[in-house]
Amino acid sequence: RKEVEQDPGPFNVPEGATVAFNCTYSNSASQSFFWYRQDCRKEPKLLMSVYSSGNEDGRFTAQLNRASQYISLLIRDSKLSDSATYLCVVPRNNNDMRFGAGTRLTVKP
Amino acid sequence: GAGVSQSPSNKVTEKGKDVELRCDPISGHTALYWYRQSLGQGLEFLIYFQGNSAPDKSGLPSDRFSAERTGGSVSTLTIQRTQQEDSAVYLCASSWDGELFFGEGSRLTVL
Repeated sequence: RKEVEQDPGPFNVPEGATVAFNCTYSNSASQSFFWYRQDCRKEPKLLMSVYSSGNEDGRFTAQLNRASQYISLLIRDSKLSDSATYLCVVPRNNNDMRFGAGTRLTVKP
Repeated sequence: GAGVSQSPSNKVTEKGKDVELRCDPISGHTALYWYRQSLGQGLEFLIYFQGNSAPDKSGLPSDRFSAERTGGSVSTLTIQRTQQEDSAVYLCASSWDGELFFGEGSRLTVL
């Protein structure tokens, strides 16, 4: 099993749709998790942190399921500007940050 | 500047040449990371520094790759005897309170 695994997609959804991505991880000792967003030919930027059961920020909700060792990212009311690659990060320890391969999302008019 | 700075932004080199990539992290950030990203692929972890020491070098693809960090600040990633498969974007990030701040990357093309 890969250390951090994501469905690469692509996910193609219409504007206004709700879409969810999962990220599974193998290190049961991981305590904190992150979702990053990467636009085409740009550097990744932090979208959300997930420290306990979950986190919500506007249209974005991140949830953690420790028993099944996955985190999810839910995007409601998708906008064209949400089109990007979403990267899951699972630290091995506080500083050793490992990225998933990313899930590509395209929101279409 | 306030962000992570990487140089060069673009480097084209011939197979067999050595290249050196530089990363200047955000002042005060103790952790520094190097990742490699090939076109359409995810981020491949190379190495990270806590201060000047690198606890885990296992991500470096081969012994042609080395990295150092001095003074808890600037880091250099050196690739010796470059090969075509080394072509990628090399991303550096520094960290504060768990959040990674990335530079814009150094795009390396090996002909």
